[in-house]
Amino acid sequence: AQSVTQLGSHVSVSEGALVLLRCNYSSSVPPYLFWYVQYPNQGLQLLLKYTSAATLVKGINGFEAEFKKSETSFHLTKPSAHMSDAAEYFCAVHGSGNTGKLIFGQGTTLQVKP
Amino acid sequence: NAGVTQTPKFQVLKTGQSMTLQCAQDMNHNSMYWYRQDPGMGLRLIYYSASEGTTDKGEVPNGYNVSRLNKREFSLRLESAAPSQTSVYFCAISVDYSTEQYFGPGTRLTVT
Repeated sequence: AQSVTQLGSHVSVSEGALVLLRCNYSSSVPPYLFWYVQYPNQGLQLLLKYTSAATLVKGINGFEAEFKKSETSFHLTKPSAHMSDAAEYFCAVHGSGNTGKLIFGQGTTLQVKP
Repeated sequence: NAGVTQTPKFQVLKTGQSMTLQCAQDMNHNSMYWYRQDPGMGLRLIYYSASEGTTDKGEVPNGYNVSRLNKREFSLRLESAAPSQTSVYFCAISVDYSTEQYFGPGTRLTVT
């Protein structure tokens, strides 16, 4: 069965510093992988998705993620953090079967310090 | 959150009361989903509807029922609310199983 693990429930960076949010997945088939962002009291917004077209995926707001099959990882990065990036981030993988069910990680809260 | 609406935004229930959460979309997508979000647990799938006329259980279906009324609407019903159902509920849609999901703004439910 597919699963997702996000390492670190809280990550704190200074404004302008590199953002690295970690995600590891387990999947018996080539996965579809997603990163979502949730701002306080809002729904989830898609940041980017991996669907096997390219291993480096660029998303919105300057975020990108690299799919590494050998490491079963899909880490999210941004070269320079902005105060507005403070939010909760979720990694997700499609569940098994042709149902579209998403399996979510536990989430990582990103704090950006001035 | 464009294209997916949820009502109500907030609700407080007493244990044993019933209520229905409504979700509607205007994007003509085939698949619809109900998730609950609890601190430290991410989002967990309650029920989903791969297409109009079909519904299936997700990871945590106990205590809930759903109705896919038509292609646009997918409702979630709590027949007898329990404090353990205090959560934030999200509806999501997707074109089909292989595409990304779009989420509604959520319903914050408290059961006392």
